[in-house]
Amino acid sequence: TQLLEQSPQFLSIQEGENLTVYCNSSSVFSSLQWYRQEPGEGPVLLVTVVTGGEVKKLKRLTFQFGDARKDSSLHITAAQPGDTGLYLCAGLVSGTYKYIFGTGTRLKVLA
Amino acid sequence: DSGVTQTPKHLITATGQRVTLRCSPRSGDLSVYWYQQSLDQGLQFLIQYYNGEERAKGNILERFSAQQFPDLHSELNLSSLELGDSALYFCASSVDPGLADGELFFGEGSRLTVL
Repeated sequence: TQLLEQSPQFLSIQEGENLTVYCNSSSVFSSLQWYRQEPGEGPVLLVTVVTGGEVKKLKRLTFQFGDARKDSSLHITAAQPGDTGLYLCAGLVSGTYKYIFGTGTRLKVLA
Repeated sequence: DSGVTQTPKHLITATGQRVTLRCSPRSGDLSVYWYQQSLDQGLQFLIQYYNGEERAKGNILERFSAQQFPDLHSELNLSSLELGDSALYFCASSVDPGLADGELFFGEGSRLTVL
């Protein structure tokens, strides 16, 4: 069974702080994605990383794919209350059509 | 609006009953995925279809079944319902499941409550 473990599970920080969320697995993925989910809605894609070692920046968000394509991180600089939500990583299992999701990180940014 | 439509949005039923959840994918998307989310946790992959054929299966219980019809809409059937089946059920669609940089577009989910 492929698993994607995210840490931390919960994070409550003050506006302006930096944070990093980790997504780890023993499985290799063809690609890894990060989604954000708001209450009452489905997840929405933030970014996709495909190449081992790849780093992508999206304004204050930086995403990294591990060299071995088994793990990823999401770093948020100067967090804002609008960043509050459930962050989910998702991996496309190599050789399959399966996207498996991580356990989720619930972020709350206090004003 | 992702373009993925799920019905019903809310469903309350009793243990032992059977329900059907429906999903219409985005126009042009051939692939449909079903996920279960309990208590604001991560999404558990259930099953995936591409152009009417089952392509990948996750931890889907034998009491659950799904299919994708020729018009590409999909239905998830849940039978002999148990209290633990209470969850949000999401459908997602994509153009091509084999694309490494593909994107999943999610519906708003169907919230099932089993009493």
